[in-house]
Amino acid sequence: AQTVTQSQPEMSVQEAETVTLSCTYDTSESDYYLFWYKQPPSRQMILVIRQEAYKQQNATENRFSVNFQKAAKSFSLKISDSQLGDAAMYFCAYRSSTGNQFYFGTGTSLTVIP
Amino acid sequence: KAGVTQTPRYLIKTRGQQVTLSCSPISGHRSVSWYQQTPGQGLQFLFEYFSETQRNKGNFPGRFSGRQFSNSRSEMNVSTLELGDSALYLCASSRWSLLRGDTDTQYFGPGTRLTVL
Repeated sequence: AQTVTQSQPEMSVQEAETVTLSCTYDTSESDYYLFWYKQPPSRQMILVIRQEAYKQQNATENRFSVNFQKAAKSFSLKISDSQLGDAAMYFCAYRSSTGNQFYFGTGTSLTVIP
Repeated sequence: KAGVTQTPRYLIKTRGQQVTLSCSPISGHRSVSWYQQTPGQGLQFLFEYFSETQRNKGNFPGRFSGRQFSNSRSEMNVSTLELGDSALYLCASSRWSLLRGDTDTQYFGPGTRLTVL
């Protein structure tokens, strides 16, 4: 089974600053999908950003962008101009191109300091 | 468009009882996946249903079962509850992608918090 590793259990960032969350994964597949999800405290998990492995261009959604390094099997999330509302648990997830099973990392808890 | 809904939001049961959780996917989504989330184990995949058929199954005992109805709504059942079943149970739905010939991004519901005493 694929494994997803988030080596930073906790991170903190000053408001308006930039922070990068790390994610690595293990797979023998060449085609797959990667996701970052955000889960605020006691709230619903929401999709932050999605990357298709066959696309070399890094995905971007407003203040959120990824650094996808396929050869290194690395998928980091950069949050620019951090806001208080960005405080949450962030999960990295892998999905094979065949089958709808997602594999999640253990999460990184992000604190935004005013 | 309404999001994924789960009922009930909170449940308290005692050991040995059984419980049924319900999930209504986003309109038009035919795939429903279930996850167990605990502080110690993180997010663990339970199973996925697509068009009323179980398509994938995680590594959970047979006490955990599910089904999907023709309107894509899904239920998850846990029998003979154990203390270790206390968790947040998340449901996620995804739509069929014609381009990919498979389902796509998962969208999560708010979860059902199950406490087993």
